[in-house]
Amino acid sequence: DAGVIQSPRHEVTEMGQEVTLRCKPISGHDYLFWYRQTMMRGLELLIYFNNNVPIDDSGMPEDRFSAKMPNASFSTLKIQPSEPRDSAVYFCASSLAAGVGQETQYFGPGTRLLVL
Amino acid sequence: AQTVTQSQPEMSVQEAETVTLSCTYDTSESDYYLFWYKQPPSRQMILVIRQEAYKQQNATENRFSVNFQKAAKSFSLKISDSQLGDAAMYFCALLADSNYQLIWGAGTKLIIKP
Repeated sequence: DAGVIQSPRHEVTEMGQEVTLRCKPISGHDYLFWYRQTMMRGLELLIYFNNNVPIDDSGMPEDRFSAKMPNASFSTLKIQPSEPRDSAVYFCASSLAAGVGQETQYFGPGTRLLVL
Repeated sequence: AQTVTQSQPEMSVQEAETVTLSCTYDTSESDYYLFWYKQPPSRQMILVIRQEAYKQQNATENRFSVNFQKAAKSFSLKISDSQLGDAAMYFCALLADSNYQLIWGAGTKLIIKP
């Protein structure tokens, strides 16, 4: 299996621009998670989906952030407009819905976002 | 509230020697899982080992093993025969069975001295 795929791996943009991060979970995984990692706050869960439905978005910092999962193999995290404080590494992770190993989240390589 | 504490911000070990990273946690759940993840400079988050709370036997994956003390709520990671490629940040994480939110420790930076 290719693992969780994220794109782009690096993104540099200017303040005020829209940023879209993409994720393809592991095939057969029904849970998808978006995390943000910064030096100050460590790893933060932003939102997670089950069967393409958002279950908990309480970690989304503000209305500038939105996430969608139109189908089982694709999700996006959008920031509009972006701000310098959004600079971080954004991870996508996925896990099985049930069965042995269901509890384990497998991470993508992350997208390093820099907002100037 | 559930918490995970890693009290060692940084550890160093000589190559080929053994090192133990500490982790304590707190949860009121009876069913939960514990994980160690490794994050090398590439920033990739890699699963090292996992432990089911209901299992008394300590998990082992090649050179990596855990010492799971349920009553003490302790979950330490032992790395034997340390290799240069083991240099990374190591995160301890807790997942309660009632939800899917991983609770993360602050991480321990492991330095391997050649």
